[in-house]
Amino acid sequence: EAGVAQSPRYKIIEKRQSVAFWCNPISGHATLYWYQQILGQGPKLLIQFQNNGVVDDSQLPKDRFSAERLKGVDSTLKIQPAKLEDSAVYLCASSLEEREQYFGPGTRLTVT
Amino acid sequence: RKEVEQDPGPFNVPEGATVAFNCTYSNSASQSFFWYRQDCRKEPKLLMSVYSSGNEDGRFTAQLNRASQYISLLIRDSKLSDSATYLCAVNSHPGANNLFFGTGTRLTVIP
Repeated sequence: EAGVAQSPRYKIIEKRQSVAFWCNPISGHATLYWYQQILGQGPKLLIQFQNNGVVDDSQLPKDRFSAERLKGVDSTLKIQPAKLEDSAVYLCASSLEEREQYFGPGTRLTVT
Repeated sequence: RKEVEQDPGPFNVPEGATVAFNCTYSNSASQSFFWYRQDCRKEPKLLMSVYSSGNEDGRFTAQLNRASQYISLLIRDSKLSDSATYLCAVNSHPGANNLFFGTGTRLTVIP
């Protein structure tokens, strides 16, 4: 069974630029999550989707971050404009309803 | 108070040793508990779910103590390949599947 796919794996941008990340969850997983993991910390949930609806986006900095899952499968996370403190690994995870979450390889973002 | 707290370590143990990690959580209503393993520059991988009755998978044992609001992970007969960061995760509230993660505990198993 294929795992969670993410792209790109690495991205380097300058502050104030925009960037987008893509995630394809495990087939059949209705729930999709985006996490931010800053070096030395555990992952922090940014947004949770159930199919194409948002379940929780309470920790998403909505002035600069946006996410969508239009057809209930793939998802994109966008940052516009980026700040230095956005440098982190952005992890996508998926799960079958309220079960264990499986993570993709992540996108390592460096903002200079 | 943080939702989930872990001792960041590092824990340096010899091969064959037994090592235990604890993780405390703040929300007494939390119902789902997990241990993840994360290798350097890799994504977290699910190691174990933690059940109320405790559970064991080979050399790994997970326990839940609701009264004191902590979960534990015990690794017996440590192998070099066990060297990694171990993250605990707790759901935010009953019925929710969004997880709060600890900062992780770094384990190094020494030959």
